[in-house]
Amino acid sequence: KQEVTQIPAALSVPEGENLVLNCSFTDSAIYNLQWFRQDPGKGLTSLLLIQSSQREQTSGRLNASLDKSSGRSTLYIAASQPGDSATYLCAVVGSNYQLIWGAGTKLIIKP
Amino acid sequence: DAGVTQSPTHLIKTRGQQVTLRCSPKSGHDTVSWYQQALGQGPQFIFQYYEEEERQRGNFPDRFSGHQFPNYSSELNVNALLLGDSALYLCASSSGGVYGYTFGSGTRLTVV
Repeated sequence: KQEVTQIPAALSVPEGENLVLNCSFTDSAIYNLQWFRQDPGKGLTSLLLIQSSQREQTSGRLNASLDKSSGRSTLYIAASQPGDSATYLCAVVGSNYQLIWGAGTKLIIKP
Repeated sequence: DAGVTQSPTHLIKTRGQQVTLRCSPKSGHDTVSWYQQALGQGPQFIFQYYEEEERQRGNFPDRFSGHQFPNYSSELNVNALLLGDSALYLCASSSGGVYGYTFGSGTRLTVV
């Protein structure tokens, strides 16, 4: 059974720092891995999608990597800003076509 | 290009009532999934529709039912509402489920 773990559960850093969020999964037979952002009480915004054949994806200050063999993904946020404060969730899609979720990392960027 | 559209955005119902939530998928997407997210929790998978059939179902009672129409839009129906059904209901669409999911803004259901 696929399990997804996110570390840390919460993170508070000063504005301007570069930071890394971690996501690990137990079954490497995935179609893709997706990183989402959720603001309090709001829906989910897709940040980056990495297909199983890819190693990384970049969008602006965000970079996500995928290492299927080790069951790990990282989300790198450069030059963090207070507007980056949110909960970040990773999810993998396996053979059942469902999203299997991590519990999320709650990020607070202090001005 | 419109993304995933959910309606209504907010809803207040009384215990025992029935509710229908609606979702229009992103253009080009044929698969619709529904999730329940309680406050402070992660999304919980309810079910997924593909080609107008329920393809997968999570651990939810039969009070939760759904439908997908020929235009790929979908409805989520919940009967005999309980206080514990109060949550944010999220709809996500994809192309078969393997090319990434796009989520709507959700419907906030409050059962009183």
